[in-house]
Amino acid sequence: ELKVEQNPLFLSMQEGKNYTIYCNYSTTSDRLYWYRQDPGKSLESLFVLLSNGAVKQEGRLMASLDTKARLSTLHITAAVHDLSATYFCAVDMQRSNFGNEKLTFGTGTRLTIIP
Amino acid sequence: AAGVIQSPRHLIKEKRETATLKCYPIPRHDTVYWYQQGPGQDPQFLISFYEKMQSDKGSIPDRFSAQQFSDYHSELNMSSLELGDSALYFCASSPKFRQSAFGSGTRLTVV
Repeated sequence: ELKVEQNPLFLSMQEGKNYTIYCNYSTTSDRLYWYRQDPGKSLESLFVLLSNGAVKQEGRLMASLDTKARLSTLHITAAVHDLSATYFCAVDMQRSNFGNEKLTFGTGTRLTIIP
Repeated sequence: AAGVIQSPRHLIKEKRETATLKCYPIPRHDTVYWYQQGPGQDPQFLISFYEKMQSDKGSIPDRFSAQQFSDYHSELNMSSLELGDSALYFCASSPKFRQSAFGSGTRLTVV
């Protein structure tokens, strides 16, 4: 059974600081996603990482994937209050002939940026 | 751009009642997924449909059933509701082999 673990579960940081969220998964996968979720809201796709060594950046967020270590990171640079949210990684284990996903989500990291 | 539409947005039901959640996928998306997210939890995959056929099944209770109709919309039927069924229910849709997009969710409260 695939397990996806994130750490930390909770993160409180000051504006302007840098930090990294880690996502470990237990079995081989070639597709990893990062999502942002505001309280009570939907899941907003941030990044899709498809291959070993993939790195993607959008604004103050940068995601990377190491498939050999089964590890993805989400790095936050010079955090601002607007980044406060819960961040989930998700691993797609199912690419059947139907082509459909089957996402297993990590436990989530609740990020609070303190002004 | 059109998004995944879910209805209703909020639903309050009593224990042992039945609830039906609806999902309208993005046009030309042939695959629909359902996820359940309990309070403070990560989303859990329930079930998916491709071209109106069930394509995969996750941790969906036997009290729940779902189907995808000829117009590709999907309905999740939940019977004998329990307090523990209170959650956000997300629908997502995708074209084949592409990443899915999530709807805004239906918040179900069982009292």
